Amino acid sequence: EDQVTQSPEALRLQEGESSSLNCSYTVSGLRGLFWYRQDPGKGPEFLFTLYSAGEEKEKERLKATLTKKESFLHITAPKPEDSATYLCAVLAAGGTSYGKLTFGQGTILTVHP
Amino acid sequence: DTAVSQTPKYLVTQMGNDKSIKCEQNLGHDTMYWYKQDSKKFLKIMFSYNNKELIINETVPNRFSPKSPDKAHLNLHINSLELGDSAVYFCASSQGSSYAGEAYEQYFGPGTRLTVT
Repeated sequence: EDQVTQSPEALRLQEGESSSLNCSYTVSGLRGLFWYRQDPGKGPEFLFTLYSAGEEKEKERLKATLTKKESFLHITAPKPEDSATYLCAVLAAGGTSYGKLTFGQGTILTVHP
Repeated sequence: DTAVSQTPKYLVTQMGNDKSIKCEQNLGHDTMYWYKQDSKKFLKIMFSYNNKELIINETVPNRFSPKSPDKAHLNLHINSLELGDSAVYFCASSQGSSYAGEAYEQYFGPGTRLTVT
């Protein structure tokens, strides 16, 4: 069964203090790994798609990387407005989860000014 | 210009009632989804439609019935509501269905918080 585990569950940073969020996955062949941001009371907002190990994507202070077992979301010099829950999801190339996104439980990021 | 919209935003109702949630997308996408987010924040897919055809139907009680009148709309009707149905329900859409091979990103609506008392 496909599994996605995110760590830590919660992360508190000071403004400007860089850090990384982890997404470990077990999947029957990876078709894509997605990162989303979710603000309280809102729907997930798409950030990145990664397709193969070694791939990296950047957007402002965020950089996502992918290996064969995990993905990292690096946050450089975060600001309070980066506070949100970050969700990771995988799309399997086969198995019972084929064609469906399997989400992790998310990492709640809080950035203090 | 809202891409994926849902109504209502909040829904409070009593056990045994029947309720509906509506979803509309103006992105021109072919595929739409319903997800349930429980209290632990896990998002789980319930249904997916591609061009008005049901393509994903997870293990969901048959009290839940989706309907897609056209590509831009996907509604969710719930019969005989139970306490365990309380959750946030999200509608989403994507350009195509990942059953066809592509890893399409999905765009989510704002959610409907359903509370059953």
